[in-house]
Amino acid sequence: DGGITQSPKYLFRKEGQNVTLSCEQNLNHDAMYWYRQDPGQGLRLIYYSQIVNDFQKGDIAEGYSVSREKKESFPLTVTSAQKNPTAFYLCASTGQGRNIQYFGAGTRLSVL
Amino acid sequence: AQSVAQPEDQVNVAEGNPLTVKCTYSVSGNPYLFWYVQYPNRGLQFLLKYITGDNLVKGSYGFEAEFNKSQTSFHLKKPSALVSDSALYFCAVRDQTGANNLFFGTGTRLTVIP
Repeated sequence: DGGITQSPKYLFRKEGQNVTLSCEQNLNHDAMYWYRQDPGQGLRLIYYSQIVNDFQKGDIAEGYSVSREKKESFPLTVTSAQKNPTAFYLCASTGQGRNIQYFGAGTRLSVL
Repeated sequence: AQSVAQPEDQVNVAEGNPLTVKCTYSVSGNPYLFWYVQYPNRGLQFLLKYITGDNLVKGSYGFEAEFNKSQTSFHLKKPSALVSDSALYFCAVRDQTGANNLFFGTGTRLTVIP
């Protein structure tokens, strides 16, 4: 999984709770991405950031929020507004040319 | 809009036999195409890409893919399957609008039978 670290590996959310998933990269990549993976649906883009202090919504941003205060870090918060948060979440990054995305090992989020 | 389709949810192949995992794409302009592999509870690993040039692209672990513009396909192939090739395979196409995001197919689960 290269130089991308996601934590925790497993996370449990209670009703009405916000939880934050961590993604850190040491690849000096400019762009970072968050995907949600559900069985049979492939990967869907939640948010992406091409530079520090800037980020854009992806296809399924509702109920999620992100920040990009440092180049190395792109945390994802799953808010209480996300009614169906159970999924496998993957963070990725890409460098100049942006031809290959490198992925972290993922965080599996479940609801208690 | 860009998209890829993986028409088979599941592919089974005997060990030692050739394998093919299918992918078709839809883009305006020249496509940037990718294959990734995912092992259980892990992130995706890059296998190979087609940007331009030779239609037969060679990648990691003995995999290759053939770009066919007339059929808008980018099938993944391997001459002799290994049990360790059993995994989930994703085809992807890069966004052409400038954001450079990837659009993924729904995945094909490959099972290699000993």
